[in-house]
Amino acid sequence: RKEVEQDPGPFNVPEGATVAFNCTYSNSASQSFFWYRQDCRKEPKLLMSVYSSGNEDGRFTAQLNRASQYISLLIRDSKLSDSATYLCVVNTGGFKTIFGAGTRLFVKA
Amino acid sequence: GAVVSQHPSRVICKSGTSVKIECRSLDFQATTMFWYRQFPKQSLMLMATSNEGSKATYEQGVEKDKFLINHASLTLSTLTVTSAHPEDSSFYICSAPLEQNNYGYTFGSGTRLTVV
Repeated sequence: RKEVEQDPGPFNVPEGATVAFNCTYSNSASQSFFWYRQDCRKEPKLLMSVYSSGNEDGRFTAQLNRASQYISLLIRDSKLSDSATYLCVVNTGGFKTIFGAGTRLFVKA
Repeated sequence: GAVVSQHPSRVICKSGTSVKIECRSLDFQATTMFWYRQFPKQSLMLMATSNEGSKATYEQGVEKDKFLINHASLTLSTLTVTSAHPEDSSFYICSAPLEQNNYGYTFGSGTRLTVV
């Protein structure tokens, strides 16, 4: 079992749709969680950190469920510019960081 | 915000030659830098962790003699791919922690290496 697993997709959605990504992690001692966005042939960019209480940033909402060991990212009112690969990132302590393989999203007009 | 500058962005080299990739933290001190490799449609795989003033820590399966890492100062870490072969062609990217992990990481812009 991979330490961090994501549905690779791709997710093909129309503009304005709501789309949700899930990510599961295997190490129950994991401490920090993030969602990154990576455009084709570019470096990953931090989208948002994920907190137990859940957090929202505009159209993006992240949730953490420690009991079930998964995190989620919800994108509302999808824009064409949201098309990218979304990486689930888990820190398991110290500087040990594990990247998921990413979920590809295509938003179409 | 914190920026890591990575150069070169793209390099094509002949098989058997060496390539050096530099990562500089521009407005903060990076005592630790991480080096990743990413093959097409795959996740970032951590190769090694460089620490200023000490030897780098390599992940299992990564040849330390092939991928030389030097963290010469608090703002510069370099990765040298020695005797490069076509199978070393990949996207190499560095990152530095922003602050105690809870603030994520900042990434260099990546280096696309093609060995012909």
